[in-house]
This record gives sequence, C-alpha cells and structure tokens, in this order.
Amino acid sequence: AQKVTQAQTEISVVEKEDVTLDCVYETRDTTYYLFWYKQPPSGELVFLIRRNSFDEQNEISGRYSWNFQKSTSSFNFTITASQVVDSAVYFCALHNTNAGKSTFGDGTTLTVKP
Amino acid sequence: DGGITQSPKYLFRKEGQNVTLSCEQNLNHDAMYWYRQDPGQGLRLIYYSQIVNDFQKGDIAEGYSVSREKKESFPLTVTSAQKNPTAFYLCASSVDGGFNTEAFFGQGTRLTVV
Repeated sequence: AQKVTQAQTEISVVEKEDVTLDCVYETRDTTYYLFWYKQPPSGELVFLIRRNSFDEQNEISGRYSWNFQKSTSSFNFTITASQVVDSAVYFCALHNTNAGKSTFGDGTTLTVKP
Repeated sequence: DGGITQSPKYLFRKEGQNVTLSCEQNLNHDAMYWYRQDPGQGLRLIYYSQIVNDFQKGDIAEGYSVSREKKESFPLTVTSAQKNPTAFYLCASSVDGGFNTEAFFGQGTRLTVV
C-alpha cells in the first residue's frame, strides 16, 4: 500500500519569509514518481513538479525548490521569499506506474500575509 | 485552448436521486481520473481509465459509476447508493498512466445533497 503524509495541515507566514512544506511517503515500489500540485481558491490543481525515484537531484525553479531524499522518503518543497499569491493548498502525490494511479497527501494550506 | 472542462460548477441533488457529472478533455490524453475531495482532506481516487472502453475502480468506488465510450469524455454518475455524496469532485487527465503522468485538472464540480 502507498501512503503520503503531509504533517503540516496549515502554515501561516508573513510575506518575504521562506517556508518549507514537508512530504513523507511510503511505497514498496522501486520505480515511482513524486509530484507537487498547487490548488488555488479557484479549485483547479496546478502541476508544479515531477520527480522520478531514480533522480535525487534537487531542483530549483525561480522561488521554488524541491529536496528529494530517498533515504528518508521525503520530498520537501521550499518557497523562498513568499508572496501573497503563493497562498493556496499544496498537495504532494506519489504515482504508482504499475497501477497507473496516484496517492495524494491531505494537503498543506499555506497562507501568506502581507 | 486545450484543457479539461467540468460541468456544472455547482450541482444540487435531492436525496435518492442519481446525478451525472461531466468531464471533457481536448488534450488527446489516454488516461482520465475522478477524484473526490472533502474539506481538510486530500484527493481520493474514485475511478480511473487508462484507455477508451476500459476503467478500474479506485479507492472509494462504491456508490459511483463511470463510462469511457469516447477518449475525450469520462462522465461520473453519483448514484443513490452513495451515502455521503456532498463533496468537491475533480476530474483529471494525463497523457497515459505510465511515465508521462503529469495530470491536468478541471476546475471541479461542487455537489451538494439537499
């Protein structure tokens, strides 16, 4: 069975602060994909990043960065210099390529105050 | 513009009635998914389809039914057997269920039982 745990239910920061969203996963598969999605108030989930299980390189995209550590089964997401527009619910997901389906965490609601 | 269209955005249903949620995509994606989202919870998979005329139950399929007669359409019927249907329903698609698994989401349908 697969499981994704996002321990932080809600996070509130002040604009320009850095913030890290944690994601820990469980799977017996050796090949899998990890994702982060953003859900703004409009409701539609927006894809942010995909990482496969064989690629542990960290990635930076503008103010966003991701730290994948297979040894601790974690795929954490950091927003640097947060902005009010970053306020949303963020989901971490684990995709099982054999079954063709994903397991989502419960999400972290991020509120960035001006 | 390519994307996923869910309709209606809001839906009210009387207890005991069946209701069908529409999901259409023009991305030429093979795989399509239905998720249910409850407040404070992540997305739970209801049904998914990796190819036309084929679909599989997800984690919470009881009380729901789907069809996949056309590649671009994956309607979800919430039947009277679903005990607690009030929720936010999200449809998604991906190129396939394997390596190209980034999912594109619709804007969701909020179903309320009155």
